[in-house]
Amino acid sequence: EAGVVQSPRYKIIEKKQPVAFWCNPISGHNTLYWYRQNLGQGPELLIRYENEEAVDDSQLPKDRFSAERLKGVDSTLKIQPAELGDSAVYLCASSLRMGTQYFGPGTRLTVL
Amino acid sequence: AQRVTQPEKLLSVFKGAPVELKCNYSYSGSPELFWYVQYSRQRLQLLLRHISRESIKGFTADLNKGETSFHLKKPFAQEEDSAMYYCALRGYNFNKFYFGSGTKLNVKP
Repeated sequence: EAGVVQSPRYKIIEKKQPVAFWCNPISGHNTLYWYRQNLGQGPELLIRYENEEAVDDSQLPKDRFSAERLKGVDSTLKIQPAELGDSAVYLCASSLRMGTQYFGPGTRLTVL
Repeated sequence: AQRVTQPEKLLSVFKGAPVELKCNYSYSGSPELFWYVQYSRQRLQLLLRHISRESIKGFTADLNKGETSFHLKKPFAQEEDSAMYYCALRGYNFNKFYFGSGTKLNVKP
């Protein structure tokens, strides 16, 4: 099995442009997480889904970030407009309820 | 507030030497503690969790509630242990993880 799939792996954009990241979790995993990892830091949770429901989005900057998980499977995280400070690695992870989290390879975003 | 602290950014040891990666936490309750590892060019993966009380790849970690610590230990480091190690906390009431800033372990030959 491929595990958690994320695309794109790398993205370079200019500030004020929109960007979107896609995640396909492990089949059957009902819980999906989006994290942001800044350089030299650990992952920080942006949003967590239980099936289709966003149950924790307290750390999601809602003025520019949005996320969706239609049909409780794939998920998309969007930034519009991007700022210089959004440069980071965006990680997606999935788990079966409270079980082990499995991480994707991440998307490295560079905002110029 | 929940917080996980890993005081060392970089830890260098020689092969065969003991290694201890420190992790301290603050949490108003009974958390679950984890160690995650990221080898070069690989994705972040679970190494061990305190409730399992198991040894993975020779690593162990004991939860010390009195000192609020969850240090990762290995008696004899191997070169293949070189990686980034992250300590993480999950509160029992919520499926939310808090990660430390990570420690880079470099095992020299």
